[in-house]
Amino acid sequence: GENVEQHPSTLSVQEGDSAVIKCTYSDSASNYFPWYKQELGKRPQLIIDIRSNVGEKKDQRIAVTLNKTAKHFSLHITETQPEDSAVYFCAAEYQGAQKLVFGQGTRLTINP
Amino acid sequence: DVKVTQSSRYLVKRTGEKVFLECVQDMDHENMFWYRQDPGLGLRLIYFSYDVKMKEKGDIPEGYSVSREKKERFSLILESASTNQTSMYLCASSLTSGRETQYFGPGTRLLVL
Repeated sequence: GENVEQHPSTLSVQEGDSAVIKCTYSDSASNYFPWYKQELGKRPQLIIDIRSNVGEKKDQRIAVTLNKTAKHFSLHITETQPEDSAVYFCAAEYQGAQKLVFGQGTRLTINP
Repeated sequence: DVKVTQSSRYLVKRTGEKVFLECVQDMDHENMFWYRQDPGLGLRLIYFSYDVKMKEKGDIPEGYSVSREKKERFSLILESASTNQTSMYLCASSLTSGRETQYFGPGTRLLVL
């Protein structure tokens, strides 16, 4: 079945610096890759997604890149702020099965 | 705004009890999902449903069953709760396919003693 590996499991950066979280997936037929953010005590929410017909997508300080050949995708957060502190999950669509497979999560801490 | 609600935020049950967790969405979504969230393991899919009375096993269905009698409601059932089912349970829904945003409920933290 589909497997998604996410690294690192924890990440601590200084406010204003950049943060990068990486994921690899196993199913070469996957075409949809969302990222979810879960703040402490709250529900996960979609922050950005990318489909396989593009290599990069940006939304203000957040960007996602996709390398289909290598089967990996990454989340980039620039100019980090305290409100970026959260757990981030990557996911990959499991082709034909109408479901997502999630990575293990990354706890991002922004230090003031 | 999509609203996904879960019947309880916290539950404490005894080993062997039958447990019902209920999820309701108000946006006429076809797909509904049940996940459990454990530290270091991410979100693991238990079961999902893409239509009324339809269900599909996810990655960890053992010990669980589901029911979807109405489009807006998806129930997770623990037939005989065990301590290793202590976890956070999250329900989600999406409009149609797995390529669309999933909207999550607030979660139910279940403790099995």
